[in-house]
Amino acid sequence: GDSVTQMEGPVTLSEEAFLTINCTYTATGYPSLFWYVQYPGEGLQLLLKATKADDKGSNKGFEATYRKETTSFHLEKGSVQVSDSAVYFCALIFYQKVTFGIGTKLQVIP
Amino acid sequence: DAGITQSPRYKITETGRQVTLMCHQTWSHSYMFWYRQDLGHGLRLIYYSAAADITDKGEVPDGYVVSRSKTENFPLTLESATRSQTSVYFCASSESGSSYNEQFFGPGTRLTVL
Repeated sequence: GDSVTQMEGPVTLSEEAFLTINCTYTATGYPSLFWYVQYPGEGLQLLLKATKADDKGSNKGFEATYRKETTSFHLEKGSVQVSDSAVYFCALIFYQKVTFGIGTKLQVIP
Repeated sequence: DAGITQSPRYKITETGRQVTLMCHQTWSHSYMFWYRQDLGHGLRLIYYSAAADITDKGEVPDGYVVSRSKTENFPLTLESATRSQTSVYFCASSESGSSYNEQFFGPGTRLTVL
């Protein structure tokens, strides 16, 4: 079946550091790929998405590129802020079926 | 309020009791979903519904029952709660079953079974 693999963390960075959270997937079809963010005590919010190979999703300074050849969708941000502290979930969606990664906790310290 | 809401936000119950978690969305989305979130597992799908009166099992359906008599509501019932069902439960909705459509999540219900 489909699966998503991401590091659990926590990932601790200083403010203004570069962020990479790796995400790799296995899928039988041609899914769309998503990054969701969960702030403490809240539900998940869509951060960005890509619906086909080589698409780049971007939002709020975050970006990720759908790489079919390496089955990856790594999340990057050039300069993190304290307000980016949250849990980040990589997910793939193939029709109504969603498969989530376990989530990566990011802590940004001033 | 527009969006997707869940109630209650927090619930403590005892083993063997029946508990119902409510989910309501105002967008008239066709699809609705129930997930549970546990450390080390991420989110796991319990049940989903493609439309009123159409429901299907997800990855971890045992011990749960759902119904969907109206498009906007999708209650989740634990018929006889067990400690292993202590978790945070999220409801979500989506405009369609297409791979292109994101799911919108509610704020979650934290359930503790003693």
